[in-house]
Amino acid sequence: NAGVTQTPKFRILKIGQSMTLQCTQDMNHNYMYWYRQDPGMGLKLIYYSVGAGITDKGEVPNGYNVSRSTTEDFPLRLELAAPSQTSVYFCASSSRGGTSNQPQHFGDGTRLSIL
Amino acid sequence: KNQVEQSPQSLIILEGKNCTLQCNYTVSPFSNLRWYKQDTGRGPVSLTIMTFSENTKSNGRYTATLDADTKQSSLHITASQLSDSASYICVVRYNNAGNMLTFGGGTRLMVKP
Repeated sequence: NAGVTQTPKFRILKIGQSMTLQCTQDMNHNYMYWYRQDPGMGLKLIYYSVGAGITDKGEVPNGYNVSRSTTEDFPLRLELAAPSQTSVYFCASSSRGGTSNQPQHFGDGTRLSIL
Repeated sequence: KNQVEQSPQSLIILEGKNCTLQCNYTVSPFSNLRWYKQDTGRGPVSLTIMTFSENTKSNGRYTATLDADTKQSSLHITASQLSDSASYICVVRYNNAGNMLTFGGGTRLMVKP
């Protein structure tokens, strides 16, 4: 079982460049999430989706965009990279939302540096 | 305000010893409280999920407890192993937060031989 797969694992960007972080899951989960993890801080929700065609902002959405055209894929787009976006990005999925007792399954992250 | 604070920030123990990690939350009741284990360079993996009405939840050598009076959860690790070296993250789904979870900053545990 692959679970949640993120690519790339590492990336260095120059200020102002754009890129897409890829996330795919093979568990047929409706809910998918993007988080960022900064050193010593708790994960912060960037965007989430409750199903194909439906996305919503999380706690820190500025500077990011997402789309959800299929159940499996949930890419995260950075349009104009800024140093403040240097972080580790995690994608996660779950069969139900936060009110349920279903766990979120995480990918292994993309480590992004903006220089 | 919805917050989750964990202590200690880091901990070193000897293999075979027990340890307890603490998590303080600010608002109750809540929908559920979760503990995750995160190995270095990997994504978090779920250990336990407790509802507000549960006092304890076990997963092998990991036991999570909940004290509503002190607004605290503890994760107890029994007979630690080298593979327990990781960060342990406490997560709360507050009732007013929709689909958002509030993550603590984690406790970094190192188990030494």
